[in-house]
Amino acid sequence: DQQVKQNSPSLSVQEGRISILNCDYTNSMFDYFLWYKKYPAEGPTFLISISSIKDKNEDGRFTVFLNKSAKHLSLHIVPSQPGDSAVYFCAASAIQGAQKLVFGQGTRLTINP
Amino acid sequence: NAGVTQTPKFRVLKTGQSMTLLCAQDMNHEYMYWYRQDPGMGLRLIHYSVGEGTTAKGEVPDGYNVSRLKKQNFLLGLESAAPSQTSVYFCASSYSFTGSSNQPQHFGDGTRLSIL
Repeated sequence: DQQVKQNSPSLSVQEGRISILNCDYTNSMFDYFLWYKKYPAEGPTFLISISSIKDKNEDGRFTVFLNKSAKHLSLHIVPSQPGDSAVYFCAASAIQGAQKLVFGQGTRLTINP
Repeated sequence: NAGVTQTPKFRVLKTGQSMTLLCAQDMNHEYMYWYRQDPGMGLRLIHYSVGEGTTAKGEVPDGYNVSRLKKQNFLLGLESAAPSQTSVYFCASSYSFTGSSNQPQHFGDGTRLSIL
């Protein structure tokens, strides 16, 4: 029972273009969503988050969009840079859940020069 | 500025052996977590702790035990290692949840464990 799904295992984007990573969830109790970025041999690092009371959150080149009715969120990176090449994990939690995160499978983003 | 430190970074065990993975954080976080990452599965929560002296089961707790004797340390034990426990293990910590403000979890760099 995969409550958080990232259906694209990999994505390749040209440098300077927009990268769009997608995530779907099934549990309507989730009210906080995060994106983590992971380089090889390192732990995930927090990138950006969004509460369910919002539908958009922006931080520099990164924007997360939340569509609660569709139970879908997306991460936009613009413009994409070579250093953005990494695995991106979507995660969700519920206020009642002691901040327990449920992660998606991850999407490997490759930025081509 | 260490953050979350995991030891060891690599380990190879034989089936049936036991070992303990150590996680230490220097951010005075109340909450600590152990995850395992397997190919195509994302990160799955094994056990977690909401404060010193407390532990609770996560999504995949079988075959593991944990202890949180000190606030800064969270230990993950394998009593009798099995090949199915071959994985990369990540520890994380975060501030306690307050009101509507959520805090991101901070992760260590992982322990790569192989069970032969």
